[in-house]
Amino acid sequence: AQTVTQSQPEMSVQEAETVTLSCTYDTSESDYYLFWYKQPPSRQMILVIRQEAYKQQNATENRFSVNFQKAAKSFSLKISDSQLGDAAMYFCAYRANFGNEKLTFGTGTRLTIIP
Amino acid sequence: KAGVTQTPRYLIKTRGQQVTLSCSPISGHRSVSWYQQTPGQGLQFLFEYFSETQRNKGNFPGRFSGRQFSNSRSEMNVSTLELGDSALYLCASMRQAGTDTQYFGPGTRLTVL
Repeated sequence: AQTVTQSQPEMSVQEAETVTLSCTYDTSESDYYLFWYKQPPSRQMILVIRQEAYKQQNATENRFSVNFQKAAKSFSLKISDSQLGDAAMYFCAYRANFGNEKLTFGTGTRLTIIP
Repeated sequence: KAGVTQTPRYLIKTRGQQVTLSCSPISGHRSVSWYQQTPGQGLQFLFEYFSETQRNKGNFPGRFSGRQFSNSRSEMNVSTLELGDSALYLCASMRQAGTDTQYFGPGTRLTVL
């Protein structure tokens, strides 16, 4: 069974600084998808970024980028120029490519932005 | 385009009752998945429907069931509620399968007393 591990329950960063959230996963599949979702307090889950395992190039979305290390099964999220609106729970998630659309989530990292 | 909508947003029930939650996916999306989020267990997959058929099911007891209608709207039902069923229930929709991304609704917060 696939597992996703986020070893940092909480992180904090000064506004305008850069922070990296860690995620590791375990799978025997070679083709899959990885996602970072953001869940602000009392608000809905929002997709931040996604990575296809077959792509070697790391995904980027504006201030958000990932460091995808397939051999190490590592998928970290870097947030540059942190803003107050980035404060949220961040969940790393895994999904197999075919046959099962279920997302397997990590336990989340609570990110606090310090003004 | 409107996002995923879930109704009701909040619900309070007592043990032994049953409850039905509703999810309307993004227009054009045919896949609907349900997740349970609790502080202790985190986010857990309940089931996924595509074109009115359940394609995948998580490890939950038979008290949890769902269905999908021809317009892709989905409902999930929990019978004989237990205190441990108190959770945020999230619905996510996806256009079809394979390469697509799931987009989440705001959730229904169920409290069982």
